[in-house]
Amino acid sequence: DAKTTQPNSMESNEEEPVHLPCNHSTISGTDYIHWYRQLPSQGPEYVIHGLTSNVNNRMASLAIAEDRKSSTLILHRATLRDAAVYYCILRDPGSARQLTFGSGTQLTVLP
Amino acid sequence: KAGVTQTPRYLIKTRGQQVTLSCSPISGHRSVSWYQQTPGQGLQFLFEYFSETQRNKGNFPGRFSGRQFSNSRSEMNVSTLELGDSALYLCASSFSPTGDLGEQYFGPGTRLTVT
Repeated sequence: DAKTTQPNSMESNEEEPVHLPCNHSTISGTDYIHWYRQLPSQGPEYVIHGLTSNVNNRMASLAIAEDRKSSTLILHRATLRDAAVYYCILRDPGSARQLTFGSGTQLTVLP
Repeated sequence: KAGVTQTPRYLIKTRGQQVTLSCSPISGHRSVSWYQQTPGQGLQFLFEYFSETQRNKGNFPGRFSGRQFSNSRSEMNVSTLELGDSALYLCASSFSPTGDLGEQYFGPGTRLTVT
């Protein structure tokens, strides 16, 4: 399975944008890039996913590099409620159906 | 729409016992997946059920088993509990009629402690 690499932790100030990076240099042409987050004492929560083009939804934006070897999850205005572990996950619809979680990035939002 | 529910939320068992955990997916979702989360190993996939059939299985010993009922509710069972089975067990449901790109919706988990 293609692997992802994320920083262990990041800090952000409240109401400022946050850019969470993810490297996936061995990504295959059919892998989708998914992001989930896990708030304290909760199960993971879907954030966004994409294949090649940048994607936006009400929660975040996903910027995908042209060569697809990296991507960035963008929270436009971080709030204290965004403090969570963020997971970048590759999913190939032709094979594995499960989510393969790495260690993720612990995001701390400072007031 | 009600979310994924898991019961019980907390459980304490003794080594050697067995345990059954329950998961009710979101209405209309036919796929249910189970994950184990521990501080050392992180989140690991256990198995997935779709329309009462196990569709995918992770790398766990045979002591871990599951099933799905006709109403899509799922149970997982762990027999002969070991101390290392202490973990948060998470259930996730998705619509997923084909392929796997559907969002997975997670429940709050069952915290199992084995003493």
